Amino acid sequence: ELKVEQNPLFLSMQEGKNYTIYCNYSTTSDRLYWYRQDPGKSLESLFVLLSNGAVKQEGRLMASLDTKARLSTLHITAAVHDLSATYFCVGSNYKLTFGKGTLLTVNP
Amino acid sequence: DAGVTQSPTHLIKTRGQHVTLRCSPISGHKSVSWYQQVLGQGPQFIFQYYEKEERGRGNFPDRFSARQFPNYSSELNVNALLLGDSALYLCASSLLDSDYGYTFGSGTRLTVV
Repeated sequence: ELKVEQNPLFLSMQEGKNYTIYCNYSTTSDRLYWYRQDPGKSLESLFVLLSNGAVKQEGRLMASLDTKARLSTLHITAAVHDLSATYFCVGSNYKLTFGKGTLLTVNP
Repeated sequence: DAGVTQSPTHLIKTRGQHVTLRCSPISGHKSVSWYQQVLGQGPQFIFQYYEKEERGRGNFPDRFSARQFPNYSSELNVNALLLGDSALYLCASSLLDSDYGYTFGSGTRLTVV
């Protein structure tokens, strides 16, 4: 059974700083997704990573996938307050398996 | 284009009652999945339907059931509600084995009292 572990679970950053969220998964995953969730809201798709070595960037966020290490990372560059949210790493093998989420707070 | 629509948005039920939640997928999407998100946790998989057939079921009791209609909309039914069923119920639609990800609806917030 696929298990997804994220760390850290809580991350408090200062604006302008860089940080990385790590995601390990236990068995083969067809795809690896990153989602964002604002408090009380639904889930917003950020990235879909399909193959080993995949790297995708959108604004201040960059996601990568290493299928051999079963590791994905979400790198935040020069954080701004608007990035404050919970970020989920999600594995897929016909169903989505979510990590526990990383609650990111960006402070001025 | 309309996204994934779920109804109702909020619901309060009493223990032991039954509830039906509804989901309409994005036009062209034939796969619908249901997830339960308890406060402070990641969503947990309940069901996936594709072309009106159940494709997968998560670790939930038989009180939970679902179906998909010919227009690909879906219902999630929960019988004999327990306090622990209080959660945000999310519906996701996708192309099967989607390389484009899953699109989630805004969810139904169910409170059982």
